[in-house]
Amino acid sequence: DAKTTQPNSMESNEEEPVHLPCNHSTISGTDYIHWYRQLPSQGPEYVIHGLTSNVNNRMASLAIAEDRKSSTLILHRATLRDAAVYYCILKKYNNDMRFGAGTRLTVKP
Amino acid sequence: EAQVTQNPRYLITVTGKKLTVTCSQNMNHEYMSWYRQDPGLGLRQIYYSMNVEVTDKGDVPEGYKVSRKEKRNFPLILESPSPNQTSLYFCASSSQGQGNTEAFFGQGTRLTVV
Repeated sequence: DAKTTQPNSMESNEEEPVHLPCNHSTISGTDYIHWYRQLPSQGPEYVIHGLTSNVNNRMASLAIAEDRKSSTLILHRATLRDAAVYYCILKKYNNDMRFGAGTRLTVKP
Repeated sequence: EAQVTQNPRYLITVTGKKLTVTCSQNMNHEYMSWYRQDPGLGLRQIYYSMNVEVTDKGDVPEGYKVSRKEKRNFPLILESPSPNQTSLYFCASSSQGQGNTEAFFGQGTRLTVV
């Protein structure tokens, strides 16, 4: 199974942009790149996904490398409520999703 | 409101006493799955179902059973719980797509087996 690699933790200051990296060098051509986050004491929640092109939504932006072997989740202005564990996941054509360890984002006021 | 509902949210039980954790979704999703989350091990998939009467093992299925008799429900059954099944459990659902659909997660069930 294709795996993802993320830094264990990152810190950001409030109101500043955050770039969360993810490596997925064994991605297959049909895998979608998904990002989820898990706030304390809650279930994971969807953030964004993409296949080849960069994507924007109200929560974040997703930048995908041309070779698809890496991607970056961009939070344009981090808030204290964005403190969470962020998971980069390769979702397969059959909807199978396997989680890695994720990146714990700390946002400092 | 689109949601995945798990019950109970918290459960303390004794070793060997059969229990069921229910999961229900109101989005007519075909795909449903169960995960357990343990410190240092992250979220691991237990079982998944691609549609009614279609279930398959995930990475850690031992000690668990599931059934999918109706599209909306996907209960997780522990026939003889043991202390190593103490964990935080999450149910998830998504519509059939080709990997391009959003997954929705329940709020979790914290199970303690003593």
